[in-house]
Amino acid sequence: DIQMTQSPPSLSASLGDKVTITCQASQNINKYIAWYQQKPGKAPRQLIRYTSTLVSGTPSRFSGSGSGRDYSFSISNVESEDIASYYCLQYDNLPLTFGSGTKLEIK
Amino acid sequence: EVQLVESGGGLVQPGRSLKLSCAASGFTFSNYDMAWVRQAPTKGLEWVASISTGGGNTYYRDSVKGRFTISRDNAKSTLYLQMDSLRSEDTATYYCARHDFDYWGQGVMVTVSS
Repeated sequence: DIQMTQSPPSLSASLGDKVTITCQASQNINKYIAWYQQKPGKAPRQLIRYTSTLVSGTPSRFSGSGSGRDYSFSISNVESEDIASYYCLQYDNLPLTFGSGTKLEIK
Repeated sequence: EVQLVESGGGLVQPGRSLKLSCAASGFTFSNYDMAWVRQAPTKGLEWVASISTGGGNTYYRDSVKGRFTISRDNAKSTLYLQMDSLRSEDTATYYCARHDFDYWGQGVMVTVSS
């Protein structure tokens, strides 16, 4: 199974900051990584797929990059509506595996 | 508008069974692989099972293999998850999703407890 090591587990940012979350796969996942936002009591929402492709409706302040085993997800100009947990998902191989999540809080 | 609506959750005793359903609308259900993902209370997301468009290929995580069965009825645009021999560690919110994981249902809670 491919392990996805996501960090940090939590993040505290001020409005307008740029924050970055990383996911490292235990093997090459060929850019097959997606990023999700989940707010309390809600289903996850896909923001980015295939490393850096923004899903329709995703604000341009969100971005993704990476290759091989190492990937990152960033939010520039953090807004209050970005308070949520964020997860990466590798879909290169079954079993599909998620990162452990990052909880974003506003200072 | 794509909609996925789960049902069938509830409280069940360990060792018993439960069957979840997911009614799909707003897209051609038979054209999409589908999946179930779960989330234990206060925990992260965990892929459970996937099924191909025609239902001929199914995939499971090891911890549910032999206990859970994913199936679909394309005529009814409905996805199912038959859960047998339930354990306390199966307690979670279960989401159905298109296998692209672009659309998710709202989730249904399953609690396994005596």
